[in-house]
Amino acid sequence: DGGITQSPKYLFRKEGQNVTLSCEQNLNHDAMYWYRQDPGQGLRLIYYSQIVNDFQKGDIAEGYSVSREKKESFPLTVTSAQKNPTAFYLCASTPDGGVGQPQHFGDGTRLSIL
Amino acid sequence: AQSVTQLGSHVSVSEGALVLLRCNYSSSVPPYLFWYVQYPNQGLQLLLKYTTGATLVKGINGFEAEFKKSETSFHLTKPSAHMSDAAEYFCAVRGKNDYKLSFGAGTTVTVRA
Repeated sequence: DGGITQSPKYLFRKEGQNVTLSCEQNLNHDAMYWYRQDPGQGLRLIYYSQIVNDFQKGDIAEGYSVSREKKESFPLTVTSAQKNPTAFYLCASTPDGGVGQPQHFGDGTRLSIL
Repeated sequence: AQSVTQLGSHVSVSEGALVLLRCNYSSSVPPYLFWYVQYPNQGLQLLLKYTTGATLVKGINGFEAEFKKSETSFHLTKPSAHMSDAAEYFCAVRGKNDYKLSFGAGTTVTVRA
């Protein structure tokens, strides 16, 4: 079955450490997105990519970085500059740029500080 | 930029009772509208969407929503709640030429036996 795979499901970060969250999709979707979810705040967009080798900052990009070297992969790095990284991170994708199309979501990665 | 307001962060209903979740958006042009459901420690699953056409949209699990342009609303309803409906629900909006979704803060539904 096609879908979005996020790994790991749980991740712990030490002080000053960068960590990378994986997102892989086999839906052949062009656009991919990263969201951060905090209780009572809904989902906030970190970065998105409409095509390979191109990506744009979302609403809360500071302290995060991404790459899009392959269509099916959109990893997110949480850098040491992100002072409050504890959250639930969700990856999503849409076909063909996605205008009007719903986003498909992975099952998320929960990141905590050690 | 689009904004979405979900009225009520928590809703408690009895099993078999009506479920009504409210969503209002800000936009001068009718956008695309979505409702998603999230179970604990999982991603979001699409319940239904409105793009064009019929303003009453039916989705999965017996849910439906009505787009009312004059009220800028897209409220979600289900006639009879089931225990399995206990989850968090998100309303989301996308502008006609926008690749980004704007989400409401979410409404947590609990179902009483």
